[in-house]
Amino acid sequence: GAVVSQHPSWVICKSGTSVKIECRSLDFQATTMFWYRQFPKQSLMLMATSNEGSKATYEQGVEKDKFLINHASLTLSTLTVTSAHPEDSSFYICSARVAGGGTGELFFGEGSRLTVL
Amino acid sequence: RKEVEQDPGPFNVPEGATVAFNCTYSNSASQSFFWYRQDCRKEPKLLMSVYSSGNEDGRFTAQLNRASQYISLLIRDSKLSDSATYLCVVNSNYQLIWGAGTKLIIKP
Repeated sequence: GAVVSQHPSWVICKSGTSVKIECRSLDFQATTMFWYRQFPKQSLMLMATSNEGSKATYEQGVEKDKFLINHASLTLSTLTVTSAHPEDSSFYICSARVAGGGTGELFFGEGSRLTVL
Repeated sequence: RKEVEQDPGPFNVPEGATVAFNCTYSNSASQSFFWYRQDCRKEPKLLMSVYSSGNEDGRFTAQLNRASQYISLLIRDSKLSDSATYLCVVNSNYQLIWGAGTKLIIKP
């Protein structure tokens, strides 16, 4: 299947700093990527939909100025958590849909576990 | 009521047994349904899509009951490696809505 690489896998940062997470589609072009957040024992919650070459679409309740998304190429989307606080500590996962694929054919990155001290 | 609900478990099942769990959804107009598997601290991986007529893939059988608005996953001859969290996903209004998952523990 298609491969999505996410980096870094783990990150620990101090409160107030910014953290960038990268999501790359390695063997296909992804016009659309999705960013999810998952708190312990909870479901994946869609944060935003990232479209190549245009602004991301954020879900209700997600601050676009805090979670900056850039999808500058067909193979790379980045999520930057700005001025991170302990409540931002979570598991962040990106996914990409293969062009022309069905709605459920999402390929996920490995996830990034963010811990804000 | 949550849009997609699952029993969080955990389901503790002896190896070789058959286990089944359901997932209920609230939007009767939901178009498609999926089961994903997520291992601890890993990303979800598609296990199988759920078709109206039901479908089977080896030891795994998925069924859809539109009248009662639930989907089910049956695992036969369970293996230790089946231990994971199983996430139900519903395509509702062209958005994927995720359940919180059912944790399954297979014991030797």
